[in-house]
Amino acid sequence: ELHLLESGGGLVQPGGSLTLSCAASEFTFINYAMSWVRQAPGKGLEWVSAISGSGGSTYYADSVKGRFTISRDNSKNTLYLQMNRLRAEDTARYYCAKVLSEYCTSTSCHHYYFYYYMDVWGKGTTVTVSS
Amino acid sequence: QSALTQPRSVSGSPGQSVTISCTETTSNVGDFNYVSWYQQHPGKAPKLMVFDVTKRPSGVPDRFSGSKSGNTASLTISGLQAEDEADYYCCSYAGSYTLVFGGGTKLTVL
Repeated sequence: ELHLLESGGGLVQPGGSLTLSCAASEFTFINYAMSWVRQAPGKGLEWVSAISGSGGSTYYADSVKGRFTISRDNSKNTLYLQMNRLRAEDTARYYCAKVLSEYCTSTSCHHYYFYYYMDVWGKGTTVTVSS
Repeated sequence: QSALTQPRSVSGSPGQSVTISCTETTSNVGDFNYVSWYQQHPGKAPKLMVFDVTKRPSGVPDRFSGSKSGNTASLTISGLQAEDEADYYCCSYAGSYTLVFGGGTKLTVL
């Protein structure tokens, strides 16, 4: 069974930094783009960032652009999210998710050109930004 | 930037059908073809239920169906079961290589 396990969450002061990790198993990690999605306490889901399988393409929500950096180490099957200049509004549970890269029927496959859908999710790790 | 509006809550009795709407509130309707729906039980990770507006991942019951009309996508759950009680989020491509989620709908099974 495909598995994602986030770690690295914790309490950090405003303006501080934190790096989240997401260890993947039971699938060929390099073949799939990955995303981070967060959820503030009692609030809805917010897409944060995505990265291609090679790591060569990265994308960010406006709310984190310039402060967060997504990366991956395919030799370690691990996804990262480096978070700098953290704010109170970054307090959330952070989920990593595998991107659905293609959809196949019995006759053909359609490859998605962007990372629209997330089909496997980890359980998340909690980040609290507070003094 | 796209914004997606969902009702805060819907409810239904076991066996009934409920529909959750998701309305895209910008003029960029063209990108509203990449719509997905996620189910989230309390304290759990989200689960992909529908993608490409109407497709279901393997393992998702066919009681869950997606549709779209104009700038409103919908998730219909037929034959409602107690285990369907959860939060449901729509999600769409928002342009500029970003995604946007709706605010979420709490489904209560009466």
